[in-house]
Amino acid sequence: DVKVTQSSRYLVKRTGEKVFLECVQDMDHENMFWYRQDPGLGLRLIYFSYDVKMKEKGDIPEGYSVSREKKERFSLILESASTNQTSMYLCASRYYAGFGNTEAFFGQGTRLTVV
Amino acid sequence: QQQVKQSPQSLIVQKGGISIINCAYENTAFDYFPWYQQFPGKGPALLIAIRPDVSEKKEGRFTISFNKSAKQFSLHIMDSQPGDSATYFCAAGIQGAQKLVFGQGTRLTINP
Repeated sequence: DVKVTQSSRYLVKRTGEKVFLECVQDMDHENMFWYRQDPGLGLRLIYFSYDVKMKEKGDIPEGYSVSREKKERFSLILESASTNQTSMYLCASRYYAGFGNTEAFFGQGTRLTVV
Repeated sequence: QQQVKQSPQSLIVQKGGISIINCAYENTAFDYFPWYQQFPGKGPALLIAIRPDVSEKKEGRFTISFNKSAKQFSLHIMDSQPGDSATYFCAAGIQGAQKLVFGQGTRLTINP
């Protein structure tokens, strides 16, 4: 069974802290993504990675960075957490099928609260 | 041009009724249109997807209708059940591209 696992379901952090959100997939997928989910705004792409050590900015990268040192692991880093980064964070992975289209698999989400 | 606009934001339907969620896009390069279903406390999961070479795809009680000229597609849930209560996201992608663009989401509630 396909799995994308996020390390924490709930996190509470203080303003200014450096925050790490971890995601691991067991499907050998090339592509991994970090989304932020807010009511009325849908899923907004923060960053994605198409290979180890490769990354591209999504729609809302400001205040975030990412790391992908191994194919199965993709980390989202909040360099200095702020209250406006309180949100649900979703990790996803997707097989690269060349000229095909493939399903994205999501983790269960991390609810981050910055106080 | 990369946006997908989804409506309504929330929807309440009686059990047994038809739920309809609509999405519109601008980028004519999109050629893959999936719908994802998300239950509380879970990540989204693929429900059904369509390519623009067909106008309709049906899987059980779920149907995607696609209007290429209008650049619109919709999800119909027939005989809606309380277990269908969830948040639904439409999305669009381009063949071979890594990213999917998601709509704003619709919170569907089916009243018993």
